Amino acid sequence: GENVEQHPSTLSVQEGDSAVIKCTYSDSASNYFPWYKQELGKGPQLIIDIRSNVGEKKDQRIAVTLNKTAKHFSLHITETQPEDSAVYFCAASITGNQFYFGTGTSLTVIP
Amino acid sequence: GAVVSQHPSWVICKSGTSVKIECRSLDFQATTMFWYRQFPKQSLMLMATSNEGSKATYEQGVEKDKFLINHASLTLSTLTVTSAHPEDSSFYICSARDPGVTNTEAFFGQGTRLTVV
Repeated sequence: GENVEQHPSTLSVQEGDSAVIKCTYSDSASNYFPWYKQELGKGPQLIIDIRSNVGEKKDQRIAVTLNKTAKHFSLHITETQPEDSAVYFCAASITGNQFYFGTGTSLTVIP
Repeated sequence: GAVVSQHPSWVICKSGTSVKIECRSLDFQATTMFWYRQFPKQSLMLMATSNEGSKATYEQGVEKDKFLINHASLTLSTLTVTSAHPEDSSFYICSARDPGVTNTEAFFGQGTRLTVV
């Protein structure tokens, strides 16, 4: 089955700096890669996603890049704000049904 | 956007009792829903795929007799933790997506915190 690895597990940045989280996946058949933000005690919320026919996608301060050849994708958050502090999960999907999640990154933005 | 609602958001039960968690799609019909389990500071692990009108498909290592799943309608799936024990304490999350559309986002419920004492 699919195996998704995520790094780093924890990340602290100063407010205004950029944060980058990286994920790799194992199954070349995966073709949908969402990123989720999870706040304490809540379910994951989709923040951005990318499909395998696209190399990069941007939404305001958030961007995701995908390298299908290397089987890795990354989340970039620019101009970080304290409210960006949360746990972020990457995921990979083959069928569009089951999602295989990375291990999560706890992001802390220091004011 | 589509909304998935879970109930209850938290529950405390005694060892040996059973607990039912509901997952509802509020504004779309979901032929398939997914149940995840999340331990503190860990990732979401897929437990099972709930299929409307048929048996659920369980991931390897998940006891189907322990975690009973019923998907009786297109908007409701239930997860029953039977004979709960302290090790079953966890955060349970369901998700669903609109059927017939591939590679679209999955909508997650807000999760249910189960504590077995």
